[in-house]
Amino acid sequence: GIQVEQSPPDLILQEGANSTLRCNFSDSVNNLQWFHQNPWGQLINLFYIPSGTKQNGRLSATTVATERYSLLYISSSQTTDSGVYFCVVGPYNQGGKLIFGQGTELSVKP
Amino acid sequence: DVKVTQSSRYLVKRTGEKVFLECVQDMDHENMFWYRQDPGLGLRLIYFSYDVKMKEKGDIPEGYSVSREKKERFSLILESASTNQTSMYLCASSSIVRGYEQYFGPGTRLTVT
Repeated sequence: GIQVEQSPPDLILQEGANSTLRCNFSDSVNNLQWFHQNPWGQLINLFYIPSGTKQNGRLSATTVATERYSLLYISSSQTTDSGVYFCVVGPYNQGGKLIFGQGTELSVKP
Repeated sequence: DVKVTQSSRYLVKRTGEKVFLECVQDMDHENMFWYRQDPGLGLRLIYFSYDVKMKEKGDIPEGYSVSREKKERFSLILESASTNQTSMYLCASSSIVRGYEQYFGPGTRLTVT
């Protein structure tokens, strides 16, 4: 099956710093999403981005499907950005089932 | 906005009890999913459903069953709860119309004592 690798596994930032999270996947996919899991456990949709680039405020994401990777950029980080970021992909012909990366745990210090 | 709701945020049950976890979505999605999340193990798929009365086993279906009598509602059933089912349970939904973009509920933290 498809393998999803996220890096780095952990990241500590000072408030105001920028960061880039990476997701590599091993096969073509028809869905790629980035989620933020907050301290209460809820998974928040950040981006649905099987290809191309999107921006939402301080966050942006780029997926290069032909090279099988995606990047999540966080600029001017805030303490509320802390939590776990998951890259999740959907293989073709799997009826919407998703494969989760192991996540990047981000801690933003004041 | 898509909304997925779960019946409880926190639940405490005793070993051997029958437990129902309910999930409702309001966007007419045909696909619904139940996951559990445990430290160090990530999210694992328990069951999913493509349509009313349709269900398919995920990666860890043992000890669980599901019911989907209406399109908007997907229930997870623990027939006889055990302590190793203490976990965070997350429900999600998606639709082919929206490219299978998946939306999650807030989660239920279940403790079995």
